[in-house]
Amino acid sequence: GEDVEQSLFLSVREGDSSVINCTYTDSSSTYLYWYKQEPGAGLQLLTYIFSNMDMKQDQRLTVLLNKKDKHLSLRIADTQTGDSAIYFCAERLGATNKLIFGTGTLLAVQP
Amino acid sequence: NAGVTQTPKFQVLKTGQSMTLQCAQDMNHEYMSWYRQDPGMGLRLIHYSVGAGITDQGEVPNGYNVSRSTTEDFPLRLLSAAPSQTSVYFCASKRSLRDGYTFGSGTRLTVV
Repeated sequence: GEDVEQSLFLSVREGDSSVINCTYTDSSSTYLYWYKQEPGAGLQLLTYIFSNMDMKQDQRLTVLLNKKDKHLSLRIADTQTGDSAIYFCAERLGATNKLIFGTGTLLAVQP
Repeated sequence: NAGVTQTPKFQVLKTGQSMTLQCAQDMNHEYMSWYRQDPGMGLRLIHYSVGAGITDQGEVPNGYNVSRSTTEDFPLRLLSAAPSQTSVYFCASKRSLRDGYTFGSGTRLTVV
């Protein structure tokens, strides 16, 4: 079945780079997404990547996709305290409307 | 644009009561979904809709009903609330299949 896994927690110092990892199991995934959730708020779409791409860069965010290993990562350059949040990866299954979310990674940025 | 608006923000129900969680979007999005978020479990899809008049079940549909009579509104009905339905509920919408979802700010529901 479909499964998306993430590590639960990551702590970095302000100014360092953060790398949040995600693995998925479904080979029919077409789009993969990264969302950010701040306390008490809904999820905010950060970026997404199509499954035939290896990398996508958007300002401080870099997404890397290793389709062979079904591994997705989100790198945040020059991490700021405002980046502290829970980050979710999600995969869209084939041509369906179904998004499968990971359990989320809590990013804590130390000043 | 207000985006995706969910009401109420908080609700406490007694076991067996019914209620409707409201969701409205003003972006003319065709696709809408309801998710529940529970600690350690990420978000799980309850029901979704690909357009007015069309709905389908997600991963955890039992105990919930939806309808989509207009493009803007996608209410979620709890038929007979149970403590296992204590959760944070998010409604989301998007314009096309490829796009990422825009989420509402959530409804925190407690069933006692």
